[in-house]
Formats: sequence, C-alpha cells, structure tokens
Amino acid sequence: DIVMTQSPDSLAVSLGERATINCKSSQSVLYSSNNKNYLAWYQQKAGKPPKLLIYWASTRESGVPDRFSGSGSGTDFTLTISSLQAEDVAVYYCQQYYTTLPYTFGQGTKLEIK
Amino acid sequence: QVQLQESGPGLVKPSETLSLTCTVSGGSISSYYWSWIRQPPGKGLEWIGYIYYSGGTNYNPSLKSRVTISVDTSKNQFSLNLSSVTAADTAVYYCARGSRAAAVLNWFDPWGQGTLVTVSS
Repeated sequence: DIVMTQSPDSLAVSLGERATINCKSSQSVLYSSNNKNYLAWYQQKAGKPPKLLIYWASTRESGVPDRFSGSGSGTDFTLTISSLQAEDVAVYYCQQYYTTLPYTFGQGTKLEIK
Repeated sequence: QVQLQESGPGLVKPSETLSLTCTVSGGSISSYYWSWIRQPPGKGLEWIGYIYYSGGTNYNPSLKSRVTISVDTSKNQFSLNLSSVTAADTAVYYCARGSRAAAVLNWFDPWGQGTLVTVSS
C-alpha cells in the first residue's frame, strides 16, 4: 500500500491568516508518462461527506474558492488556504490515486480557528 | 447533476452480512467506476472497493475476503455486501463515483451523504 501521512494532525489558525497542511506519500505518485501527480485533496465538514477541492495535486475543482491551492510533486504535497475564513473549519484529507491497490487516504488534518 | 444515495439497514448483528445499495440519479451508471468508502466514527477514510458499470471489480486487500460489490445497470444501482461483520465494521458508509469516465485511476466525486451502520447485538 502507498501510505499517506499528513501533518500536522490538527492546526489552529487565526481568521485571515494562512493555513498550510502537508501530505507525504510513502512512494512517488508522479507518473512520468504524463508528468501528473495522482493526488487529490478533500474537505470534510462535520456530519457531511468529503468534498473535492483539488486534483492532479494542484488543479482546483470548479467552484472552489481561489484561496485554496495545492502544490508539490513526487512524494511531498501541500494544501494552502491563503486567508482562512470561518467556513473553512473542517478536516482535510489527501488521497492518492496512483494505484488502486488500494486507493489510500491520509489520516486527516483538523483545522480550527485560533 | 449526478447524485448518489445510500440505503440499507442501520443496525447489523455481529457475524451477519452488511448489505447496502447506492442509487445513482441525474445521470447514467454507465462508463464510470463506482466505489464504496467507509469512515469509522471519529476516524479517517478507508476505500473498500469499486465496480465498473460492466461488472469488473477491485477490492481493498484488507477486506477482500469479506467484500462483494455488484451492479444493476437497469436500476442505476450498485451494492455492497460485507460478510462476517464485527464491531470494527461500525462506520459511516459512503458511495462515490470515480470522477473521470472510463478511467480507473480516479479521485472521487461526487459522494453520497453516507449512512451509519452499527454492528451490535
């Protein structure tokens, strides 16, 4: 299995400040044939299903505010919220889809307001 | 827009089989991969397995011996059976679609709202 490890497990950030969540994979999720990183980010609010934010490591899903951005390549990835809003309180997960044997998620990062 | 809805019993006895169905509305089940994903209370996400609309399947090795996923294209539904359940199988079960048609390597979008299944006698 590709193990996805997120850091930190929890994070408290002041409104309007930057929030940064890291995700590290146990092996590269970059396909050399197309130079794409097979990495997605989701936001999960309490009592709701996960919501897709980012795919291909840095492509923002339609309708997702541009304060959310993804970066990184190979084994190290970052989700950045440039200016934290109250509605961004949630748990954030990364997911690799480089292999289906099996698909795997990070353990989640809980984001709160300081 | 495509919507998914899980249905099935919310309580299952230990050693019995958990059975859930996901109904797809607003679009066809054809040409996509359809997954089951679960989340124990207060914990993270675990992919259970997927089925292609034509019937091909792939399961998480950690659950493979107990999982069967099937599809009924005439009803635009796919289903999950998980046998010999224990308390460790208590979770919210989500159905989700692989986002890209005919592509096996996928992120998940959209998701159903999820259904809590509790394993208890």
